[in-house]
Amino acid sequence: QVHLQQSGPGLVKPSQTLSLTCAISGDSVSDNYAGWNWIRQSPSRGLEWLGATRFRSRWNTYYAESVKSRIVINADTSRNQFSLQLNSVTPEDTAVYYCARDRYWKYDYWGQGTLVTVSS
Amino acid sequence: QTVVTQEPSFSVSPGGTITLTCGLNSGSVSSSYFPSWFQQTPGQPPRTLIHNTNSRSSGVPDRFSGSILGNKAALTITGAQADDESDYYCLLYLPGDIWVFGEGTKLTVL
Repeated sequence: QVHLQQSGPGLVKPSQTLSLTCAISGDSVSDNYAGWNWIRQSPSRGLEWLGATRFRSRWNTYYAESVKSRIVINADTSRNQFSLQLNSVTPEDTAVYYCARDRYWKYDYWGQGTLVTVSS
Repeated sequence: QTVVTQEPSFSVSPGGTITLTCGLNSGSVSSSYFPSWFQQTPGQPPRTLIHNTNSRSSGVPDRFSGSILGNKAALTITGAQADDESDYYCLLYLPGDIWVFGEGTKLTVL
């Protein structure tokens, strides 16, 4: 059984960096068949896929066009986790953020979700 | 910009059948987009109902089925029940190894 545990602050000031971590148990972040994704949800934007990291002999990252200039997703093999950094946040980035695993094009495990509010 | 389209809302009577669709503003949806369908209730992460067009996830009732209808992916609920009242989202895997969610459909059962 795979478990994804999210951590990170729930309040970020405008123009600062949003940082979240997703710790993995029951699988390896280096799993050659898995993708490790960040997704957010807000009333105004619905569900929005932000990006993913995947290990396929080497590390690859993929980002949504809407956040491509501001996002970094990294894997940490020593801690078996992956992280999200979203730079220069505005109140529009206020959302519930989820990490999730996809494997063979199926989203099968999700983190618990973290409400991040961007406010001064 | 790629937009994945869904009906904003739909209503079905208990016991009725309904088909929700998932389209692309830039063309047709096919199985090569690995369409998935999710059900979401407030405060919970999305639950995967269907992946790879028509593969039902473990524990999902067989009244939920996925297909390609014309140029769209489709989710059909046969014999709708009251607890099917939820938000439903589709998800497509697009060129460039990116995923895009649909805008969601709010389903009312009454």
